Amino acid sequence: EDKVVQSPLSLVVHEGDTVTLNCSYEVTNFRSLLWYKQEKKAPTFLFMLTSSGIEKKSGRLSSILDKKELFSILNITATQTGDSAVYLCAVESNTDKLIFGTGTRLQVFP
Amino acid sequence: DGGITQSPKYLFRKEGQNVTLSCEQNLNHDAMYWYRQDPGQGLRLIYYSQIVNDFQKGDIAEGYSVSREKKESFPLTVTSAQKNPTAFYLCASSIQNRGRAFFGQGTRLTVV
Repeated sequence: EDKVVQSPLSLVVHEGDTVTLNCSYEVTNFRSLLWYKQEKKAPTFLFMLTSSGIEKKSGRLSSILDKKELFSILNITATQTGDSAVYLCAVESNTDKLIFGTGTRLQVFP
Repeated sequence: DGGITQSPKYLFRKEGQNVTLSCEQNLNHDAMYWYRQDPGQGLRLIYYSQIVNDFQKGDIAEGYSVSREKKESFPLTVTSAQKNPTAFYLCASSIQNRGRAFFGQGTRLTVV
């Protein structure tokens, strides 16, 4: 059975801290891994990763994929209160099946 | 404006009734998805469709049905067989083979 596991489930930090969110997966016919941020309703896209070892960056956020060990990490440096959200990891198979993990709830306090 | 529209935003249903959630997209995407999200949980896949007139069950399809008669539309019916239907439902679409799903704003279904 395809599955995506995220850790930790919840994280509480202070502004300025750096956090690392983990995502491991077991998916048949892997095509890509995606990270999303969900604040209220609709998740918003952050990154799509298809190749191992190539870091994707967007401002204070970065992510990398290891296809040999079947995991990805999402790093957020110098966290701000606006980073508070649920971060979702999803894995897409080559049949377009898109499976999500349970998410990591990040709370950033001033 | 291009995007995905889900309606209604809030829906109340009496036990034993079927209800249909609407999802329409004008992004010309081939693939469409329905997810269920419970409080404090991630997204669980109900059904997905790669092309018109074809769809596949996800991990929690029991008690739900879908149709894909048009590329733009992928309605989800929550049947009376679904024992615990109260949840937040999200619809998404993507270009086939290209990942990066786009999401609607969701429908919150409550059984009363």
